[in-house]
Amino acid sequence: DSGVTQTPKHLITATGQRVTLRCSPRSGDLSVYWYQQSLDQGLQFLIQYYNGEERAKGNILERFSAQQFPDLHSELNLSSLELGDSALYFCASSVRYGTGELFFGEGSRLTVL
Amino acid sequence: AQKVTQAQTEISVVEKEDVTLDCVYETRDTTYYLFWYKQPPSGELVFLIRRNSFDEQNEISGRYSWNFQKSTSSFNFTITASQVVDSAVYFCALSTLGGATNKLIFGTGTLLAVQP
Repeated sequence: DSGVTQTPKHLITATGQRVTLRCSPRSGDLSVYWYQQSLDQGLQFLIQYYNGEERAKGNILERFSAQQFPDLHSELNLSSLELGDSALYFCASSVRYGTGELFFGEGSRLTVL
Repeated sequence: AQKVTQAQTEISVVEKEDVTLDCVYETRDTTYYLFWYKQPPSGELVFLIRRNSFDEQNEISGRYSWNFQKSTSSFNFTITASQVVDSAVYFCALSTLGGATNKLIFGTGTLLAVQP
């Protein structure tokens, strides 16, 4: 158990819909990262927040957005969903940047039909 | 640009065989970290090891060992006497201190299948 909690574990929805994925980082961790894992793209970095502020952006679509709240939990919002958005979405946390390992949650598997 | 290459897409071995997973990285930074993560069939990503760029000592942890060679930009992972429970996808990853993020850049992963 990494200490990072993601909900929901599984989600099935239709094209055009909007979903929210939630992440609670490990206790004391200030950084939250979102990754997308798909068969064709592999593990892609989406976005990072540090103590409530956006720190880095990767290959995140404009239809996607994220935020980190004062209690440090984070949400990833995916809108106008397309079939290609079906993937495993991971949240990870680390205590501070510059040191090393990220601890990953179990992921949220999104299926868009 | 930073990049991680895992040329081996799939490896199949029989239990008790030794197996080495290759990882080659690219970065212009002098300070960086290298990682290995394991993704078993259940899907979670499990941290295995972190190595910083100034520490080229090889590391052994039980049946796992890692060989870091800056001269060839490689960070290879060996499993000795493999077991069925080692069956998983293994990812090598790179993190640099450039900018304000230590996001991980992952390789494409190597699927290891250990047959009984």
